[in-house]
Amino acid sequence: ILNVEQSPQSLHVQEGDSTNFTCSFPSSNFYALHWYRWETAKSPEALFVMTLNGDEKKKGRISATLNTKEGYSYLYIKGSQPEDSATYLCAFIFGNEKLTFGTGTRLTIIP
Amino acid sequence: DAGVIQSPRHEVTEMGQEVTLRCKPISGHNSLFWYRQTMMRGLELLIYFNNNVPIDDSGMPEDRFSAKMPNASFSTLKIQPSEPRDSAVYFCASSLRGTGGNQPQHFGDGTRLSIL
Repeated sequence: ILNVEQSPQSLHVQEGDSTNFTCSFPSSNFYALHWYRWETAKSPEALFVMTLNGDEKKKGRISATLNTKEGYSYLYIKGSQPEDSATYLCAFIFGNEKLTFGTGTRLTIIP
Repeated sequence: DAGVIQSPRHEVTEMGQEVTLRCKPISGHNSLFWYRQTMMRGLELLIYFNNNVPIDDSGMPEDRFSAKMPNASFSTLKIQPSEPRDSAVYFCASSLRGTGGNQPQHFGDGTRLSIL
């Protein structure tokens, strides 16, 4: 069984502060890592797809890094805003196109 | 642009009834995925198709579940007979077929299914 673990499970951050959280995955047979943002009552929305060790991706105030050798990825949010409140999911691909999702980090931004 | 379209958005039915969930992927996408979201197990893949062909159905819980993709713009997930433990949110997603999963998946709004 291939597990994807995310930490912390939940996080409360003051508006304006920066934050980060972790996704851990098996380092063998790596194909790709996906990050999704999931707002309550909506559907998951793709943030990043990362495939190469050392990849760094950025979208506005959100960025992500990837270390495939040690099996982890970090997601960073700079200057948190209330609209950043969501669950952030990472998903690992270990073959073809099958995504195995972590349980997510639920982020709440406190105004 | 139209995203992935799922119907119905909500379905409430009695145990034993047949349930059919529908999905229209984004035009031009050739991979389609069915997921189930529950509190206990999170988001889990049930089945996926490439070019309308089922590739991996190892996540389908049991024979009561079946999925079809008769053409590139339509897929169904059927549960017959339905049971209360099938209650969940079912998502459909589509993507361009990539190499090693390097394409993001685009999710529909989901169908919230309640079996009484």
